[in-house]
Amino acid sequence: GAGVSQTPSNKVTEKGKYVELRCDPISGHTALYWYRQSLGQGPEFLIYFQGTGAADDSGLPNDRFFAVRPEGSVSTLKIQRTERGDSAVYLCASSLTGANEQFFGPGTRLTVL
Amino acid sequence: EDQVTQSPEALRLQEGESSSLNCSYTVSGLRGLFWYRQDPGKGPEFLFTLYSAGEEKEKERLKATLTKKESFLHITAPKPEDSATYLCAVTPGGYNKLIFGAGTRLAVHP
Repeated sequence: GAGVSQTPSNKVTEKGKYVELRCDPISGHTALYWYRQSLGQGPEFLIYFQGTGAADDSGLPNDRFFAVRPEGSVSTLKIQRTERGDSAVYLCASSLTGANEQFFGPGTRLTVL
Repeated sequence: EDQVTQSPEALRLQEGESSSLNCSYTVSGLRGLFWYRQDPGKGPEFLFTLYSAGEEKEKERLKATLTKKESFLHITAPKPEDSATYLCAVTPGGYNKLIFGAGTRLAVHP
């Protein structure tokens, strides 16, 4: 079956711009996660959705970052006033419920110039 | 503070040379320990979940074990296609998020 998909695969933007990153989870998975991975490091947790609601947003670094999942399926990670330090690979994962193993998408590589 | 440390950072093996990767963790109430494989430019690929000390799981040339303080990923007679970064992660009690280590970069040469 289809796995987690993310679009775009690459995004280049200028400092100060607004970006949106999209995640399509595995069909039927109620839990969705966003992580950020810098070069040479493991993924770092950002936010977790159970259904439509953000059950844990403790990993969001500041109020420039926001995520939504309005219908309990597709999710969008939104970054305002991007900074060069936001450059990283943004990974999305989904799981059947919050307690199961997480399956990752291929990621979106964000570069802020 | 919940923390995961993986060693070595990088490992070079000859094809057929067995070895082990280490994952040490400090976590408040372990809910689960996970191993993932990550190839360059791709997302992590799920390998194993371990829940309690003494548990072991196997898949082809890989075997994962768990104690109260660490986990090992044993690679038996590796092949070049096993070359990848292996990531270890834990889920603390009461949470669903994964806390990852920095990974071990494995290179298997023919």
